[in-house]
Amino acid sequence: NAGVTQTPKFQVLKTGQSMTLQCAQDMNHNSMYWYRQDPGMGLRLIYYSASEGTTDKGEVPNGYNVSRLNKREFSLRLESAAPSQTSVYFCASSHTEGLGFFGPGTRLTVL
Amino acid sequence: GDSVTQMEGPVTLSEEAFLTINCTYTATGYPSLFWYVQYPGEGLQLLLKATKADDKGSNKGFEATYRKETTSFHLEKGSVQVSDSAVYFCALTPNSGNTPLVFGKGTRLSVIA
Repeated sequence: NAGVTQTPKFQVLKTGQSMTLQCAQDMNHNSMYWYRQDPGMGLRLIYYSASEGTTDKGEVPNGYNVSRLNKREFSLRLESAAPSQTSVYFCASSHTEGLGFFGPGTRLTVL
Repeated sequence: GDSVTQMEGPVTLSEEAFLTINCTYTATGYPSLFWYVQYPGEGLQLLLKATKADDKGSNKGFEATYRKETTSFHLEKGSVQVSDSAVYFCALTPNSGNTPLVFGKGTRLSVIA
């Protein structure tokens, strides 16, 4: 039982490059989330998926797209990376009580 | 909308000191409340939770009581250790079901020997 896994752990991009952050959970949770963490800002919700086949925007969705590939997997894509997207990205999943389980994070730097 | 406000850090304490980290919330209905902890270089881990008024969550010597009358969920520990040094996040879910957690900005705690 691995919980929530994320790949990669670290990534450096140049402005304009694209990449996809991968997330998978093995807890059979319906809901999955992508957050970004910036100093002094706490965690801000980018996108979430309440169930397989649905996605919704969070607080800061601009510049990102998501895909809920199946119940286990929820990916986050940056189509054209910008320095403002330098951050630590966390994926999470939850069951109906709202209790969130978090992955270890992806530290992204955009030059 | 729903929001969480935490005391700003950093908080620096000596080992065995008493800890309080204040958290207040704004929400409609009856949210569930959580404290998460983030150790250096790691993701967030659930520390404790409370799902209704007057519930007390507790774990690893930490406690927090859901106070509906003051819309608060303050985190306390009677005697902190160096290993408690971390960032602590207060959070809520607006209602039951698959709704995203809303987080406070986090409070960094440093405990010195």
